[in-house]
Amino acid sequence: QVQLVESGGGVVQPGRSLRLSCAASGFTFNTYALHWVRQAPGKGLEWVAVLSYDGSIEYYADSVKGRFTISRDNSKNTLFLQMNSLTVEDTAVYYCARRASSSSTPSQVFGCFDPWGQGTLVSVSS
Amino acid sequence: QSALTQPPSVSGAPGQRVTISCTGSSSNIGAGFDVHWYQQLPGTAPKLLIYTNNYRPSGVPDRFSGSKSGTSASLAITGLQAEDEADYYCQAYDSSLSGSMFGGGTKLTVL
Repeated sequence: QVQLVESGGGVVQPGRSLRLSCAASGFTFNTYALHWVRQAPGKGLEWVAVLSYDGSIEYYADSVKGRFTISRDNSKNTLFLQMNSLTVEDTAVYYCARRASSSSTPSQVFGCFDPWGQGTLVSVSS
Repeated sequence: QSALTQPPSVSGAPGQRVTISCTGSSSNIGAGFDVHWYQQLPGTAPKLLIYTNNYRPSGVPDRFSGSKSGTSASLAITGLQAEDEADYYCQAYDSSLSGSMFGGGTKLTVL
């Protein structure tokens, strides 16, 4: 079945870096755009970033632009999120989510998200 | 703050009907971009509930329905059940942000 499994979360000090991974299975990975969405403790969902199926088009939320980088390895069916200069405001559960429909062109990156991974917790604290 | 505005909470008795609104602007819902809805049960990842304004993924009961008009959208739940108690989020693309966005979420309590 279609599955997304995040990993790489943990406790990190402010100003440090962390790299999240999202391993995908059960679908043709290189035909889908993928997103990162986060949820701070007790708060709502916040869209973070998206990457096209071929890695050529990426967009970021203003809150992470210039600090986070989304990437993918289509040979390993894995999505990444490199997070630099972390602040306490980045503390959240990070979900990877697949664009529900496959894309016929790289520009097709938005839409609804289905499925979602189970999430990985990133805690930024001194 | 979110540019998609939802009521923080709604409640209803079993069997009743409730609606959750999602108010946007001319750069998202009002611009014609589709609205999607997610259900998040306690301690779990969000699940797609309604896509493209009013379509249900397979497996979602027809008690759930969506609508959209102007700069707003709504999620309706009829025949409320205890298992419907969850957080609900609307989501749409926003052209001014060049990105996707979520409403602040609505906590549904089944009395």
